[in-house]
Amino acid sequence: GAVVSQHPSWVICKSGTSVKIECRSLDFQATTMFWYRQFPKQSLMLMATSNEGSKATYEQGVEKDKFLINHASLTLSTLTVTSAHPEDSSFYICSARLGRGPGEKLFFGSGTQLSVL
Amino acid sequence: GENVEQHPSTLSVQEGDSAVIKCTYSDSASNYFPWYKQELGKGPQLIIDIRSNVGEKKDQRIAVTLNKTAKHFSLHITETQPEDSAVYFCAASINNDMRFGAGTRLTVKP
Repeated sequence: GAVVSQHPSWVICKSGTSVKIECRSLDFQATTMFWYRQFPKQSLMLMATSNEGSKATYEQGVEKDKFLINHASLTLSTLTVTSAHPEDSSFYICSARLGRGPGEKLFFGSGTQLSVL
Repeated sequence: GENVEQHPSTLSVQEGDSAVIKCTYSDSASNYFPWYKQELGKGPQLIIDIRSNVGEKKDQRIAVTLNKTAKHFSLHITETQPEDSAVYFCAASINNDMRFGAGTRLTVKP
């Protein structure tokens, strides 16, 4: 299957700093990527949809100025958690859609565990 | 919008037994139903999927069934092994708008 690479796999940072997470589709071009947040023992919570060459679409309740998304190429989307605070600590996961048609497969990155001290 | 419910939330089986996880969806327009396996500290991995024009699909020990009339679909794992232990998520998609179930934590006891 298609490979989605996500880095870093874990990061520890001080409160107030910004953290950038990268999501790359290694063997396919992804016009659309997705960013999720997952709390322990819970399902995936969609944060935003990242479209190549245009602004991301954020889900209700997700602060776009807090979680900056850039999808500058067909293989790379980045999520930057700005001025991180302890409550931002979570497991962040990206996914990329294979193809443009309806019902296309979705492949996930390996996730990033963010811990804000 | 689409609402996906998944049951059970936890499932414990003995090695070699079968495991069944069930999901229901609300929007009859949903046309794509993937299943993901997530191991601790990792991202979800697509293990099998089915489209609305198919009633059943099988891949070795894993099978998925879809009942469009009742709007439910199920994951069946036969001859379970300890390495099948993980959290499994179902999802339903309408034109690439994908909604996930709450997940099932499967434990296979050796």
